[in-house]
Amino acid sequence: DGGITQSPKYLFRKEGQNVTLSCEQNLNHDAMYWYRQDPGQGLRLIYYSQIVNDFQKGDIAEGYSVSREKKESFPLTVTSAQKNPTAFYLCASSTTGGETQYFGPGTRLLVL
Amino acid sequence: AQSVTQPDIHITVSEGASLELRCNYSYGATPYLFWYVQSPGQGLQLLLKYFSGDTLVQGIKGFEAEFKRSQSSFNLRKPSVHWSDAAEYFCAGKHNAGNMLTFGGGTRLMVKP
Repeated sequence: DGGITQSPKYLFRKEGQNVTLSCEQNLNHDAMYWYRQDPGQGLRLIYYSQIVNDFQKGDIAEGYSVSREKKESFPLTVTSAQKNPTAFYLCASSTTGGETQYFGPGTRLLVL
Repeated sequence: AQSVTQPDIHITVSEGASLELRCNYSYGATPYLFWYVQSPGQGLQLLLKYFSGDTLVQGIKGFEAEFKRSQSSFNLRKPSVHWSDAAEYFCAGKHNAGNMLTFGGGTRLMVKP
């Protein structure tokens, strides 16, 4: 089955800790995206990548970092610089033309 | 700047009643438009999309949407709502030449028995 997987489903972060959220896709899509969703709000773009080894900041990139070493994978690191990390994180992918984005099931990040 | 607005934060309808969720857009040219649905704690599922052509678009789960250029709207409709339709619905848009989606704030649909 083709799709996007995100792990873990739930993640707990301690004060001052960096944590990494996984996103993998087997849709052969070139472009991948990370969004943050807060309760009662829409989605805000954190980072996106249109091709391997290249990525750009979205609207709220501060406190986050990404890498794109493989076409299938686009991990997101929430660094200690992100002071309010509690949110639901969604990964998406699309073809290069980007007509339609397909989403993974999400990771909920909580702070201990 | 482009924007997508969903004026209704919450909507409650009775099961079996009709549904219309509003979406307004602001773009320089006709954008690509999408409706997604999100069940609690889940990712987003694409319901339907409009790129060009016929302004009435059919989607999955019995949903449809109508693109109205004169009103800058792309409202989602369903003739008879089922309890399983209770979820959050997001309208989104993008320039036809770009990758970036702009999302509305979402509308939470509740269905009364």
